[in-house]
Amino acid sequence: GAVVSQHPSRVICKSGTSVKIECRSLDFQATTMFWYRQFPKKSLMLMATSNEGSKATYEQGVEKDKFLINHASLTLSTLTVTSAHPEDSSFYICSAPGIYNEQFFGPGTRLTVL
Amino acid sequence: AQRVTQPEKLLSVFKGAPVELKCNYSYSGSPELFWYVQYSRQRLQLLLRHISRESIKGFTADLNKGETSFHLKKPFAQEEDSAMYYCALSVGGSQGNLIFGKGTKLSVKP
Repeated sequence: GAVVSQHPSRVICKSGTSVKIECRSLDFQATTMFWYRQFPKKSLMLMATSNEGSKATYEQGVEKDKFLINHASLTLSTLTVTSAHPEDSSFYICSAPGIYNEQFFGPGTRLTVL
Repeated sequence: AQRVTQPEKLLSVFKGAPVELKCNYSYSGSPELFWYVQYSRQRLQLLLRHISRESIKGFTADLNKGETSFHLKKPFAQEEDSAMYYCALSVGGSQGNLIFGKGTKLSVKP
């Protein structure tokens, strides 16, 4: 089956710094990828849709200047949390769609902002 | 509004008992529904999708458009079924994003 990887799996940073999270489709190409945020014991919340070669589409309430998304190639999307603050601490998950509209999920990245 | 509702946060059953995890949806278009499962310390993975009408690991789910439901069922629960289960609705076209329910934690006791 299709595999999606994320890097890093865990990151701890100081408040005010920026953090980049990578999402890769390992054995297939993805013109679209999705970024989710999952709070403890909560469901996944879609943050944005990453589009290869064009601007990302952000969900309502998600700050595009805060969460920068770049889909540089057909196998890589990056999410940069700029000027991170403790409230940005969360579990970030990416996914890429399969041919039947299912989603293949990455393992997630745990971000902790001190 | 597009919405997926899973009314139970936690469902606890004994091994061998039947299981039904409820899912209701709200969507004006033709729905594409999925069940995803997340085992402890593992990534979210697809369990089944309504369009394929398949049975995976003994689980089945039937789309009932009249009741706008997509409940997940298994006749005899196993301990290894213990996990978080998310019902999801696909919107937005051929590669649409997913709207997730809040999830139900299934705990199967020995």
